[in-house]
Amino acid sequence: EVQLVESGGGLVKPGGSLRLSCAASAFTFSNYAMNWVRQAPGRGLEWVSSITRSSSDIYYADSVKGRFTISRDNAKSSLYLQMNSLRAEDTAVYYCVLLSGPKLWGQGTLVTVSP
Amino acid sequence: QAVVTQEPSLTVSPGGTVTLTCGSSTGAVTSGHYPYWFQQKPGQAPRTLIYDTSNKHSWTPARFSGSLLGGRAALTLSGAQSEDEAEYYCMLSYSGPWVFGGGTKLTVL
Repeated sequence: EVQLVESGGGLVKPGGSLRLSCAASAFTFSNYAMNWVRQAPGRGLEWVSSITRSSSDIYYADSVKGRFTISRDNAKSSLYLQMNSLRAEDTAVYYCVLLSGPKLWGQGTLVTVSP
Repeated sequence: QAVVTQEPSLTVSPGGTVTLTCGSSTGAVTSGHYPYWFQQKPGQAPRTLIYDTSNKHSWTPARFSGSLLGGRAALTLSGAQSEDEAEYYCMLSYSGPWVFGGGTKLTVL
């Protein structure tokens, strides 16, 4: 089955770090740019970051620039989001999203930043 | 960073037609913004309905269509059904970064 599965969410204190992972299956991961999108509780969707298929181009939302790092391992069909200096306003469900090809969304992983 | 605007809420009668729109603070929305439309129901992950202005996913019902209308991206629902009640988000590309609209809560009533 073609799918994206996120993991790595959890509870972290302000200023802490967390690394999210997204495992892709049943499609050629290396062919596609990938994205992270988040949704704070009761709020709308917010684009976080994008990475091209060869990692040659990377983009970040202003809200996370300098704190978050997107990366990928095509050999492992995996996407990552290293989140540092976390703030309360980073609390959200984080989705791994493929905008081209199969155009998939993962089920999301919840990140809670709280003392 | 650009701001993308959507109607906060709309209501449509069962069997009726409604158009949701998506505007950009930088000017007219064009095909170069590669407009996407996503549907999200409560408690579920979003799913892609329309990409590149007007292209449908394999699971997109025929009653949904995308277009450019008066300098905005548009999502038209013709023949609304109760299961179409959901939040709809548009997203635009700005030559690398993407920006979501605030979403439109569509009620079928």
